[in-house]
Amino acid sequence: GQQVMQIPQYQHVQEGEDFTTYCNSSTTLSNIQWYKQRPGGHPVFLIQLVKSGEVKKQKRLTFQFGEAKKNSSLHITATQTTDVGTYFCAGPGKTSYDKVIFGPGTSLSVIP
Amino acid sequence: DAGVTQSPTHLIKTRGQQVTLRCSPKSGHDTVSWYQQALGQGPQFIFQYYEEEERQRGNFPDRFSGHQFPNYSSELNVNALLLGDSALYLCASSLAWRRSSGNTIYFGEGSWLTVV
Repeated sequence: GQQVMQIPQYQHVQEGEDFTTYCNSSTTLSNIQWYKQRPGGHPVFLIQLVKSGEVKKQKRLTFQFGEAKKNSSLHITATQTTDVGTYFCAGPGKTSYDKVIFGPGTSLSVIP
Repeated sequence: DAGVTQSPTHLIKTRGQQVTLRCSPKSGHDTVSWYQQALGQGPQFIFQYYEEEERQRGNFPDRFSGHQFPNYSSELNVNALLLGDSALYLCASSLAWRRSSGNTIYFGEGSWLTVV
């Protein structure tokens, strides 16, 4: 079945440094979604990418969807303590009708 | 505009007992998915309900069952609880497949289940 992997599992950065997490799927995705979960909270939707090679920005966050629609990345520029949390990528399978499968997440710690 | 609401927020059960968790989807949403999130892991898909029927199911035993009501709200039932069932149970709502090109899901705050 479909598997979604993320690296790294954990990342500790000094405040102001950049951060990147990578997501890979074993199958082609119809779209890729990113979620953020703060400690003790629930996953919150950040963004969805649909097109091959698509790049979207949200302030200091840059999201990219690979050409083959099997990988994605999230890059945070100049991290802040408010960025602390676990970032999950998730995607349905070949069609948007499929169940949304989550990766294991990358936990980001920001040292002030 | 109400978001996804879940109840109860926390509960403790004993091994072998049964539990029912409840979810009301976001206003305007008609599809409910349930996820189990163990500590330090990503959400694991349990099943999805649409039009009061289970449409898709993840790799969970039959002890996990659900229901969707005409008002789109949903219940998750777990029978014969095991210690390993201790987790955060998340309900997520979305629009029906046929009307949604992205199937973006919105989570409730979850129900923390501890089995002792």
